[in-house]
Amino acid sequence: DSGVTQTPKHLITATGQRVTLRCSPRSGDLSVYWYQQSLDQGLQFLIQYYNGEERAKGNILERFSAQQFPDLHSELNLSSLELGDSALYFCASGRDTDTQYFGPGTRLTVL
Amino acid sequence: DQQVKQNSPSLSVQEGRISILNCDYTNSMFDYFLWYKKYPAEGPTFLISISSIKDKNEDGRFTVFLNKSAKHLSLHIVPSQPGDSAVYFCAASARWSDSGSARQLTFGSGTQLTVLP
Repeated sequence: DSGVTQTPKHLITATGQRVTLRCSPRSGDLSVYWYQQSLDQGLQFLIQYYNGEERAKGNILERFSAQQFPDLHSELNLSSLELGDSALYFCASGRDTDTQYFGPGTRLTVL
Repeated sequence: DQQVKQNSPSLSVQEGRISILNCDYTNSMFDYFLWYKKYPAEGPTFLISISSIKDKNEDGRFTVFLNKSAKHLSLHIVPSQPGDSAVYFCAASARWSDSGSARQLTFGSGTQLTVLP
């Protein structure tokens, strides 16, 4: 158990819809990272928040957004969903060191 | 443009023998490297890491070697156990110059290790 929690574990929705994925980091971790793993793809970095502020952006679509709240939990919002957005979405957290600890992921299926 | 490459999608090893997983990178700005193990339907689990100022780091059965001149790292598992069967991801990061806290990981595509009893 990494100490990072993600909800929900599974999410099934339709094209055009909007969903919110939630992540609670390990106690004391200020950084939250979001990654996407599509079928047959490695993990792709989406975005990082540090103590409530956006710090780095990767291959995140404009339809996707994230935020980190004062209690340090984070939400990833995915809108206007397309079939190709079906993937595993992982959240990771870390301190100001370099190791990131991953949550169990949310499996998103867009029908 | 794959900055981190794991060229072997799969590896089979007999129980008790050594498993060697390889990883190559192209970005010379990477200065921290990690190995993660992933079981199906679970998140990646951190195994071991190495800073670019070192060339070896050991933790129990796991040892990571870094060859900076060749831009190559490897993970050795000795002795291999059936429970080690999983997908192993190599990851690398570079400290962003504008923010010390930004440390996105760039992952390789993974190697499926199967340890045969």
